[in-house]
Amino acid sequence: KNQVEQSPQSLIILEGKNCTLQCNYTVSPFSNLRWYKQDTGRGPVSLTIMTFSENTKSNGRYTATLDADTKQSSLHITASQLSDSASYICVVPDSGTYKYIFGTGTRLKVLA
Amino acid sequence: GAGVSQSPSNKVTEKGKDVELRCDPISGHTALYWYRQSLGQGLEFLIYFQGNSAPDKSGLPSDRFSAERTGGSVSTLTIQRTQQEDSAVYLCASSLMPGGSYEQYFGPGTRLTVT
Repeated sequence: KNQVEQSPQSLIILEGKNCTLQCNYTVSPFSNLRWYKQDTGRGPVSLTIMTFSENTKSNGRYTATLDADTKQSSLHITASQLSDSASYICVVPDSGTYKYIFGTGTRLKVLA
Repeated sequence: GAGVSQSPSNKVTEKGKDVELRCDPISGHTALYWYRQSLGQGLEFLIYFQGNSAPDKSGLPSDRFSAERTGGSVSTLTIQRTQQEDSAVYLCASSLMPGGSYEQYFGPGTRLTVT
């Protein structure tokens, strides 16, 4: 069964610190992997899309990595800000369909 | 509008009543998805529309759930005889074309509470 698993489930860090969120997937064949940020009461917003050939991609203070061999991705947040408090969701298209498989997300809280 | 809009933003209803949730996708987007997000759970696929093709209803949890998309644009998700377990955030997303290589844009969601 194709699955996407994220860790940790929740994380609390102090403002200015860095953190790394993990995503493991079992979807095959693989086309791409997306990271979304979901603020409380809002819909998810795309941060980055990683294709098979990409190892690292940055979007401001967010850097995503992908290891297609081990089927792992990480999202690194540098110099965290209070506004980074949100849920971060890893998503992989389900092979052979138009559907997507969503991880349960990592809830990040940044404290002043 | 520039993004996906949904209405209402919040809906409180009594058990057994019917509710209608509306989604306005981005203009020109042919693919439209409905998802359900329960507390602490990942997004659950409900239904998918692509142009004038028959929708993929494989994610609808029961026959109390139905959806339509009129004129390839606005979509309505209807839940009949609501139950307490229907309480969740219902999210709509659209993309220019179907398929994993196209970006999905999400609306803000409708928070449904069944009392």
